Amino acid sequence: DAGVIQSPRHEVTEMGQEVTLRCKPISGHDYLFWYRQTMMRGLELLIYFNNNVPIDDSGMPEDRFSAKMPNASFSTLKIQPSEPRDSAVYFCASSLWGGLTDTQYFGPGTRLTVL
Amino acid sequence: TQLLEQSPQFLSIQEGENLTVYCNSSSVFSSLQWYRQEPGEGPVLLVTVVTGGEVKKLKRLTFQFGDARKDSSLHITAAQPGDTGLYLCAGLRRMEYGNKLVFGAGTILRVKS
Repeated sequence: DAGVIQSPRHEVTEMGQEVTLRCKPISGHDYLFWYRQTMMRGLELLIYFNNNVPIDDSGMPEDRFSAKMPNASFSTLKIQPSEPRDSAVYFCASSLWGGLTDTQYFGPGTRLTVL
Repeated sequence: TQLLEQSPQFLSIQEGENLTVYCNSSSVFSSLQWYRQEPGEGPVLLVTVVTGGEVKKLKRLTFQFGDARKDSSLHITAAQPGDTGLYLCAGLRRMEYGNKLVFGAGTILRVKS
């Protein structure tokens, strides 16, 4: 398996523009997670899905952020409108069953810069 | 406020030295994981500890989960330049609708040859 795939790897945009980040989880994994990593706040969970259904979105910073998982092999994280403080590395991760000893497999991340 | 406090934040040592990284919390976790992250990549799981007092070894790395399941440590023996990276601890919390990982801020380790 190719692992978790994220695109784009780098995104530079201007304030106010819409940004869409994409993720393809590992085939057969039931859980998908979106994280954000910054120097100030570290790695934060934004939202996670189980079997394509959003389970916990309490980490989504505000209404400008939305995430969808239309099928088991694809998810998007959208920011509209984007702001400079959204600049961060966004990671997607997937796991098999979500249990105590389950492994989350992270993608390579998307580095977002909002000017 | 970080739920999981990691120390030290930065560590720069010479090849061959030993080191310990700590992960502390006032909360009890169902399990605790350690990840290593290299620049430009996502975190990669090293180990999961579940039982209070549990000790796991992975070559030169020794992981320990505190008896009360609130803290953990990572000890590296005879560090190598290849050990350089960001080490993250993450505690698993049981929530109403599933389990959730909470990450510490991380320890940046640099091993000089």
